[in-house]
Amino acid sequence: GQQVMQIPQYQHVQEGEDFTTYCNSSTTLSNIQWYKQRPGGHPVFLIQLVKSGEVKKQKRLTFQFGEAKKNSSLHITATQTTDVGTYFCAVNTGTASKLTFGTGTRLQVTL
Amino acid sequence: DVKVTQSSRYLVKRTGEKVFLECVQDMDHENMFWYRQDPGLGLRLIYFSYDVKMKEKGDIPEGYSVSREKKERFSLILESASTNQTSMYLCASTLRGRNSPLHFGNGTRLTVT
Repeated sequence: GQQVMQIPQYQHVQEGEDFTTYCNSSTTLSNIQWYKQRPGGHPVFLIQLVKSGEVKKQKRLTFQFGEAKKNSSLHITATQTTDVGTYFCAVNTGTASKLTFGTGTRLQVTL
Repeated sequence: DVKVTQSSRYLVKRTGEKVFLECVQDMDHENMFWYRQDPGLGLRLIYFSYDVKMKEKGDIPEGYSVSREKKERFSLILESASTNQTSMYLCASTLRGRNSPLHFGNGTRLTVT
């Protein structure tokens, strides 16, 4: 089935440092979604990217979709303790309804 | 706001028991999903349903079945629970269509002893 690799698996930063997680696919994607899961919580939808080369921003978060639509990144500028959690990318595979998730990147932020 | 409700937050069952995990959504969503989440493996799709009485296998359907008799309710069934089915189970729903985001329930942490 669809392979979606997400790196790194874990990152520990000090508050104020930047953070980036990457999602890579072996095939061209129609779109990509990003989710955040706080510790003890459930995944919450952040954003969707559809167009080649698309860049979207949400405050300190910047999402990019690669030109070839095979990779995507989420960058957080000046991390805060509220950014702690696991970030997942998710892609449509097979039927229109089926979403496959990456393995996630767990972000730890310390003061 | 979409609400996806899973009937139990924590569940402990014995090996061989039949287990039912229930999920209800209140937004008239066509699609419903069951994922399991394990450390280092992310979220893996077990089954999904795109309409009442319709179901499709996900990536790891073995040992599970599902039931969707009503649009708002999607049940996951473990016919004979095994210890390797100890996991966090997440239900989600979405509108029909490729670009619709998933709305998740709070999850059921199932322990099989």
